[in-house]
Amino acid sequence: DGGITQSPKYLFRKEGQNVTLSCEQNLNHDAMYWYRQDPGQGLRLIYYSQIVNDFQKGDIAEGYSVSREKKESFPLTVTSAQKNPTAFYLCASRATSTGTYNSPLHFGNGTRLTVT
Amino acid sequence: SQQGEEDPQALSIQEGENATMNCSYKTSINNLQWYRQNSGRGLVHLILIRSNEREKHSGRLRVTLDTSKKSSSLLITASRAADTASYFCATALKAAGNKLTFGGGTRVLVKP
Repeated sequence: DGGITQSPKYLFRKEGQNVTLSCEQNLNHDAMYWYRQDPGQGLRLIYYSQIVNDFQKGDIAEGYSVSREKKESFPLTVTSAQKNPTAFYLCASRATSTGTYNSPLHFGNGTRLTVT
Repeated sequence: SQQGEEDPQALSIQEGENATMNCSYKTSINNLQWYRQNSGRGLVHLILIRSNEREKHSGRLRVTLDTSKKSSSLLITASRAADTASYFCATALKAAGNKLTFGGGTRVLVKP
């Protein structure tokens, strides 16, 4: 079955440490996205990538970094510069070949990061 | 405030009743999408409605779009306990490139 895999499901880190969240998709989608969700809130876009070796900042990119070396993978690093990193992180992908906007996002099941 | 804002923030109904939630937005869109999120999980796409469409159906779901009022509604008919989830609207803005903007969601509780 095609889909998006995020790992791990739960992640605990000490303040001051960088941590990398994994996102892998086997849907052959060109575009990939990282969102942050805080309790009871909607999703906020961190970074997105429309093609390999290219990515753009979203609305809340400060304190985060990404890479897109392979079509299937879009890892997110939460750096020590992120002031409030505890949150639920969601990765998504989209087949942009079906049109610029008219294709839905497919989501992974998220990684819950807790930093103490 | 966010581009897409859902109303109400929370909704509690009995199984078998209909649930209606609304989404308002501020600027021109290419399309509007509705997603469902079960607790602790990722979002699942429900329906996409284009800016030149007024109504779409999918099973027990009905979505309307009124571009003159910049609003959309999602109706779930004959609700079931399994419909308990948060529902989000997301707008594909004409001016915002290849990304979606999500609202804060409506939390729906369907009591058996």
